[in-house]
Amino acid sequence: KAGVTQTPRYLIKTRGQQVTLSCSPISGHRSVSWYQQTPGQGLQFLFEYFSETQRNKGNFPGRFSGRQFSNSRSEMNVSTLELGDSALYLCASRGNSGRLETQYFGPGTRLLVL
Amino acid sequence: QKEVEQNSGPLSVPEGAIASLNCTYSDRGSQSFFWYRQYSGKSPELIMFIYSNGDKEDGRFTAQLNKASQYVSLLIRDSQPSDSATYLCAVTSSASKIIFGSGTRLSIRP
Repeated sequence: KAGVTQTPRYLIKTRGQQVTLSCSPISGHRSVSWYQQTPGQGLQFLFEYFSETQRNKGNFPGRFSGRQFSNSRSEMNVSTLELGDSALYLCASRGNSGRLETQYFGPGTRLLVL
Repeated sequence: QKEVEQNSGPLSVPEGAIASLNCTYSDRGSQSFFWYRQYSGKSPELIMFIYSNGDKEDGRFTAQLNKASQYVSLLIRDSQPSDSATYLCAVTSSASKIIFGSGTRLSIRP
């Protein structure tokens, strides 16, 4: 079974631009979560989508948004990029039991904001 | 106070010894506890999870949970160079959100 895939793997943007990241979950998984990882703040939960609905949300500003499509693929959008948005963005999909021990991370998208 | 605290390390342990990684958390309503391993440049992978007080063993790994002390630990027996990585402790809060510690860097020296 293929794992979680994320595109693109690397991205360079400038302040003020917006960016869209994509995630394809493991086949059959309907839950997709997004995380931000930085050296200073560590790994932080952004939001979770399940069956096209946002089920949970972390403490990030409204510039961070996401959506999920009917095939469970998910996108995350960051508008008006700031230097501090430079980070590794990880997507994770979870089995339909909802248990976190069934959550698998993708390889991540490394975003650099200049 | 951070919600999930870990010593950032690096923790240096000789090959073959026991590595002990510790984590404390602040939310008494936390129910689920996880340990992830993250190699440099890679994404986290789950290595242990524990829900109940006490010890849980899986191969060379043992997770220990003490809810009264709000403390969870990971022991790695017979440490190998391949165990060198950053270990992330994660806790689900009473609001059903997962919160990660900042991680402990473990280095196994031959």
